Amino acid sequence: DTGVSQNPRHKITKRGQNVTFRCDPISEHNRLYWYRQTLGQGPEFLTYFQNEAQLEKSRLLSDRFSAERPKGSFSTLEIQRTEQGDSAMYLCASSFPHRGLPNTGELFFGEGSRLTVL
Amino acid sequence: ELKVEQNPLFLSMQEGKNYTIYCNYSTTSDRLYWYRQDPGKSLESLFVLLSNGAVKQEGRLMASLDTKARLSTLHITAAVHDLSATYFCAVDTPHDYKLSFGAGTTVTVRA
Repeated sequence: DTGVSQNPRHKITKRGQNVTFRCDPISEHNRLYWYRQTLGQGPEFLTYFQNEAQLEKSRLLSDRFSAERPKGSFSTLEIQRTEQGDSAMYLCASSFPHRGLPNTGELFFGEGSRLTVL
Repeated sequence: ELKVEQNPLFLSMQEGKNYTIYCNYSTTSDRLYWYRQDPGKSLESLFVLLSNGAVKQEGRLMASLDTKARLSTLHITAAVHDLSATYFCAVDTPHDYKLSFGAGTTVTVRA
């Protein structure tokens, strides 16, 4: 399977614990995005990387959230001191194939990591 | 801030009839995307519309884009049960490199 891969798929944690999610993008894509989706809502942008550089962070991304993409390949999203309001689906997406291919802006999403904070 | 509005938010369809979902957005953009999401699943890309007047069709679904009106439509022809899902439109603003999504339209097709 050469799609976007996320793990874990489900995480249940107690309030105050730290959690980390991993995303492996499509290998030839150099942009990687994190979105958050709550029940009944559309995905909300959190942050994105071009290669290893984090180029934009949403104001939704409080200082408890940190994302990295250390070698421009996989990315991690860590949430420290989780709160019940952090319960959501965290979606990773990738885009922008390089090597001269056109950029349509289309995002390819992974299956998501569902977080439940008790 | 870019706003993307879809309507209706909920759509109960009768099998065999035609329906339209509307997507309005608040700022200039030439690129609009439609995605489908099944319950508990991720988003599947349906259409990529990259210019004014673009029209794409796949099976019973047809999407179009009017950038002057800042409006896209997703037309469903002769609805069938398999089309039950939530449909999202998303807009890409120039030089922004990220998509802003609408709230989604949840479609239920009944016999």
